[in-house]
Amino acid sequence: DVKVTQSSRYLVKRTGEKVFLECVQDMDHENMFWYRQDPGLGLRLIYFSYDVKMKEKGDIPEGYSVSREKKERFSLILESASTNQTSMYLCASSSPSEFNTDTQYFGPGTRLTVL
Amino acid sequence: QQPVQSPQAVILREGEDAVINCSSSKALYSVHWYRQKHGEAPVFLMILLKGGEQKGHEKISASFNEKKQQSSLYLTASQLSYSGTYFCGTEKTSYDKVIFGPGTSLSVIP
Repeated sequence: DVKVTQSSRYLVKRTGEKVFLECVQDMDHENMFWYRQDPGLGLRLIYFSYDVKMKEKGDIPEGYSVSREKKERFSLILESASTNQTSMYLCASSSPSEFNTDTQYFGPGTRLTVL
Repeated sequence: QQPVQSPQAVILREGEDAVINCSSSKALYSVHWYRQKHGEAPVFLMILLKGGEQKGHEKISASFNEKKQQSSLYLTASQLSYSGTYFCGTEKTSYDKVIFGPGTSLSVIP
């Protein structure tokens, strides 16, 4: 079974703090993703990575950065947390399938509250 | 562009059927369906590729009408365990990233 783990289930931070969210997958997947999930908006892609040291902006990258130094680990960084970044953050990984589509495996999520 | 899902929410009694729709304004290569139970990670259900393929997974099946750029998820004889939020994700080509819809909340009550 594919396992995607995230460093924390719940996190509370103060405005202006630097926040690190860690994600690790154990299936040697090439692709990794960071989403935020907000009620009524679904899953919105922040950043993704198709290889080590490679990153691409998603739909809402502002205020975030990422790091992928090892294939199994993808970190999301909030340089200076703000209250509007209070959300559920989901990490996912995938490997291209037979039809080159993307079945994603999600972690349990980190609920971040910024005060 | 984010796909549109309908309805936003639905409440069913056990044993009833439901249909969840996902539509896009763009031509699609594939549609993905995921279910997220409360407090858990989204879990993959199925992928449909262009060609109008219908797929099934226990009592959950789906169709893909590429002319209408629409997919429908069918839940038959619903069970309590079907409760959750259902997301569709769409790809315009096999090289695009998946874009997820806003989700449909499904609640099955005894």
